[in-house]
Amino acid sequence: QQQVKQSPQSLIVQKGGISIINCAYENTAFDYFPWYQQFPGKGPALLIAIRPDVSEKKEGRFTISFNKSAKQFSLHIMDSQPGDSATYFCAASTWQAGTALIFGKGTTLSVSS
Amino acid sequence: NAGVTQTPKFQVLKTGQSMTLQCAQDMNHEYMSWYRQDPGMGLRLIHYSVGAGITDQGEVPNGYNVSRSTTEDFPLRLLSAAPSQTSVYFCASSLSWTGANEKLFFGSGTQLSVL
Repeated sequence: QQQVKQSPQSLIVQKGGISIINCAYENTAFDYFPWYQQFPGKGPALLIAIRPDVSEKKEGRFTISFNKSAKQFSLHIMDSQPGDSATYFCAASTWQAGTALIFGKGTTLSVSS
Repeated sequence: NAGVTQTPKFQVLKTGQSMTLQCAQDMNHEYMSWYRQDPGMGLRLIHYSVGAGITDQGEVPNGYNVSRSTTEDFPLRLLSAAPSQTSVYFCASSLSWTGANEKLFFGSGTQLSVL
């Protein structure tokens, strides 16, 4: 049973466009929703994260939108740049001690110049 | 400050061989974990530890063993390698034992091929 479903699997966006990646979750106990960015040959790195007490969080060109009732959250990359080309993973976890971060399957973003 | 260090970066094994993937962190992190990354499958948790002497299984633990004798080290052992274990392995750590709700720091990965 996949607990975090991510779409699309791949995405091609023109430079300057908006990239949108969506995730849906099933476990209502999840209360932490990070996004990780991974460049080829590197380990993932935390990009931005949100907790369910807010509906949106923005850091620079990156924004997480969170819809608790729909159990969905999404990453928006404004003014997408070729340097944003990477694989993006959404994830979710609960606050319970010892629980683990559950990742989506990833989205490969290519920003064409 | 090296962060999370994984060795080796690349490894080729024959079916049935055993080996240990090393992971060390110098940030005094309580939480450490191992993930495997396969195309189209994302990152799947193998084992994790919330402190020295404490380990637990993740989503895909079969064929792997771990131990945590020190805060710094969290080795992953493949007991009898199988082609299905061909993957890229990532070690990750975070500051506190709540682990999942903190920023995870990942190593650069070990690419393992089992022939």
